[in-house]
Amino acid sequence: GAGVSQSPSNKVTEKGKDVELRCDPISGHTALYWYRQSLGQGLEFLIYFQGNSAPDKSGLPSDRFSAERTGGSVSTLTIQRTQQEDSAVYLCASSLWDSYEQYFGPGTRLTVT
Amino acid sequence: AQSVSQHNHHVILSEAASLELGCNYSYGGTVNLFWYVQYPGQHLQLLLKYFSGDPLVKGIKGFEAEFIKSKFSFNLRKPSVQWSDTAEYFCAVKGPVGVTGGGNKLTFGTGTQLKVEL
Repeated sequence: GAGVSQSPSNKVTEKGKDVELRCDPISGHTALYWYRQSLGQGLEFLIYFQGNSAPDKSGLPSDRFSAERTGGSVSTLTIQRTQQEDSAVYLCASSLWDSYEQYFGPGTRLTVT
Repeated sequence: AQSVSQHNHHVILSEAASLELGCNYSYGGTVNLFWYVQYPGQHLQLLLKYFSGDPLVKGIKGFEAEFIKSKFSFNLRKPSVQWSDTAEYFCAVKGPVGVTGGGNKLTFGTGTQLKVEL
């Protein structure tokens, strides 16, 4: 079946602009995660959604970052007033339930100039 | 907070050589353990996982890993590597198991870049 999809695959933006990154999880997966993969930092957890529960936002690096998940499916990660240090690959993952393994999407490569 | 250490950042092997990549984690409670692989130009894929039971787990493509609770380790092994195993390998830990919210995220190691030469 279809895996996790993310769009856009690449995004170049100017410093100070807002960006939106989209994630379509695997159909039927209730849990959705966002991670960031940057050079020298490895993979960092950003935010976690599970069903209708309040999201775990403990990994968001600043209040410029926010995410929502509409209808328990598609999620959007928004970065406001982008900075150069936001340049990274943003990965989305989903799992059938929070106790199951996570399946990753191809990521969105964000470059802030 | 949970932390994961991968001691080898870059490994170069010849085909048919044996592989062992180290992974240690910090938390002493119940955890789930994973190895993910990222081939060049591809996204992260699950290689193998440990949830409970037999501490020696087998994954795809001939890889295996052994969970040693007393050493907080989950080392990845393969008896004979192939050129196609060239990739970046990430160890990840989820836990503490049973804790809602933060216990469900994966904490990753910094990755090991493996290059297999012909």
